[in-house]
Amino acid sequence: GAVVSQHPSRVICKSGTSVKIECRSLDFQATTMFWYRQFPKQSLMLMATSNEGSKATYEQGVEKDKFLINHASLTLSTLTVTSAHPEDSSFYICSARVVPGDTEAFFGQGTRLTVV
Amino acid sequence: AQKVTQAQTEISVVEKEDVTLDCVYETRDTTYYLFWYKQPPSGELVFLIRRNSFDEQNEISGRYSWNFQKSTSSFNFTITASQVVDSAVYFCALTPSDNNNDMRFGAGTRLTVKP
Repeated sequence: GAVVSQHPSRVICKSGTSVKIECRSLDFQATTMFWYRQFPKQSLMLMATSNEGSKATYEQGVEKDKFLINHASLTLSTLTVTSAHPEDSSFYICSARVVPGDTEAFFGQGTRLTVV
Repeated sequence: AQKVTQAQTEISVVEKEDVTLDCVYETRDTTYYLFWYKQPPSGELVFLIRRNSFDEQNEISGRYSWNFQKSTSSFNFTITASQVVDSAVYFCALTPSDNNNDMRFGAGTRLTVKP
């Protein structure tokens, strides 16, 4: 299957700082990528849809100024958690589809963010 | 509205036992896709299967099998002769055909296979 690489896999940061998470499609181009958040022992919740060359589409209740998404190329989307707080601590995971509009999505390894 | 229910929060079995993970879904769409993903302790989501709502044929892949019953809105997943490496969280998911960006996940079932 297609490979989606996410970096870093783990990050610890201080409250008030910003953290950037990268999501790369390694062997295909992705015009659309998706960012999910997963709380411990809970399911994945879609945060936003990242569109190459245009603004991301955020789900209801997700602060776009808090979670900045940039999709500057066909192989890279970034999620920046700004002014991080302990409640932002979570597992963030991205996904991408090889074929736009296709239903099969490939997921990155995820990033465990801990804000202290 | 789409909803996926995985009523079994945690299941524990002994190696070589068969285990079935339940998935019940709700949707008003006539065409949709159902998925199963495996999330091992490392965190990544591993794609297992995709099923179109028009295809109710059951599928078998090695020790894995899936039973799709549209009449009961269920898409259950069975692991035969379970192994320790099957220990993971398993997610069932649903996406409508006309909005592929809207993938709804169930809460997941944590499977522990003991040696």
